Amino acid sequence: DAGVIQSPRHEVTEMGQEVTLRCKPISGHNSLFWYRQTMMRGLELLIYFNNNVPIDDSGMPEDRFSAKMPNASFSTLKIQPSEPRDSAVYFCASRTGDQPQHFGDGTRLSIL
Amino acid sequence: GDSVTQMEGPVTLSEEAFLTINCTYTATGYPSLFWYVQYPGEGLQLLLKATKADDKGSNKGFEATYRKETTSFHLEKGSVQVSDSAVYFCAQNGGGSGNTGKLIFGQGTTLQVKP
Repeated sequence: DAGVIQSPRHEVTEMGQEVTLRCKPISGHNSLFWYRQTMMRGLELLIYFNNNVPIDDSGMPEDRFSAKMPNASFSTLKIQPSEPRDSAVYFCASRTGDQPQHFGDGTRLSIL
Repeated sequence: GDSVTQMEGPVTLSEEAFLTINCTYTATGYPSLFWYVQYPGEGLQLLLKATKADDKGSNKGFEATYRKETTSFHLEKGSVQVSDSAVYFCAQNGGGSGNTGKLIFGQGTTLQVKP
């Protein structure tokens, strides 16, 4: 079975540009999570969805960050405008019911 | 608030040595506890879990026991291999009313095993 699929795997862009990260959860999973991983702050939950509805976005750093889940098989995390301090690895994870989360391989984002 | 604290790394061991990575938690409810492993360039993979006090999670030779009295979930392995070199994360789900699935992670412990 295909796992959680994230794209792109790597993204390098200049500050001020819009960045869109994409995630396809495991088919049948009804919860989706976006995390950010940095050396300084470790793993931080940014936002999560249940049945495509955002439940908790308290981890979203600021208004430059937004996330959507238009359907059960796709989610995006957008940063506009991007800044160098947004450089990190961004993970998407999904799960069904009360089962453990399954993680994608992440998007390594570098903002120059 | 709810939190997870892991021992700082890196931990460097020789092959076949005994491994312990300490993890303690604070929670308002009765959380489920997890260990995830992250290999270089990959996402996190669930290693083992325990859902209630005195449960022992085990997988691939790794074990951890849910100790409510000491609020701990230490990871152990009797004989490590070079292939176990990775970053290990302890996590909990808060244990509050309703299982939201929201995980709280420790800071991660890097394990390096030398031949």
